[in-house]
Amino acid sequence: DARVTQTPRHKVTEMGQEVTMRCQPILGHNTVFWYRQTMMQGLELLAYFRNRAPLDDSGMPKDRFSAEMPDATLATLKIQPSEPRDSAVYFCASGDGQQGLYSPLHFGNGTRLTVT
Amino acid sequence: DAKTTQPNSMESNEEEPVHLPCNHSTISGTDYIHWYRQLPSQGPEYVIHGLTSNVNNRMASLAIAEDRKSSTLILHRATLRDAAVYYCILRVNNDMRFGAGTRLTVKP
Repeated sequence: DARVTQTPRHKVTEMGQEVTMRCQPILGHNTVFWYRQTMMQGLELLAYFRNRAPLDDSGMPKDRFSAEMPDATLATLKIQPSEPRDSAVYFCASGDGQQGLYSPLHFGNGTRLTVT
Repeated sequence: DAKTTQPNSMESNEEEPVHLPCNHSTISGTDYIHWYRQLPSQGPEYVIHGLTSNVNNRMASLAIAEDRKSSTLILHRATLRDAAVYYCILRVNNDMRFGAGTRLTVKP
């Protein structure tokens, strides 16, 4: 089965450092979503892309977070500078917009980020 | 934003059917009802979705009320591997936001 691949699986960093999380969507999928999950807030939508263009990134803290798709096979989420409150599991998901706007999303297994 | 309301938790016995309810009284005509589940230490997994008619797939069935203000996810025969958090989501275009979900416990 095709899968969404996220790297790294775990990341521990110190406050103030830059963090880059990567996502490889399923080949051919043209929508990509970034979510963050914490115990307190649950799953929060950070941003989503269609055909590599950002459609909505209103869920992201603008001053420190940025999301990009350099090409169709790679999506990145960067935090600079990182803060302890950014500690969470970050999920990427992709969908096949060609099958219709409401096709299922396929999630990766996440990047667990710990900022000390 | 259209929102959903689900019970925080439910319990089921193994090999019995499970009915997971979801209320979405503010649903609009173009909102699709999606269900996902999240097993421990994994990303969410698609279960089923529908618009107006009831839907069946290999994982579950989705029963949608005639007025669309509520829906029920039906697991026909719960197994221990179905223990997860189940999310009912109203999807508007590309916007898909998760609520708190229902934590399903399956007892042997």
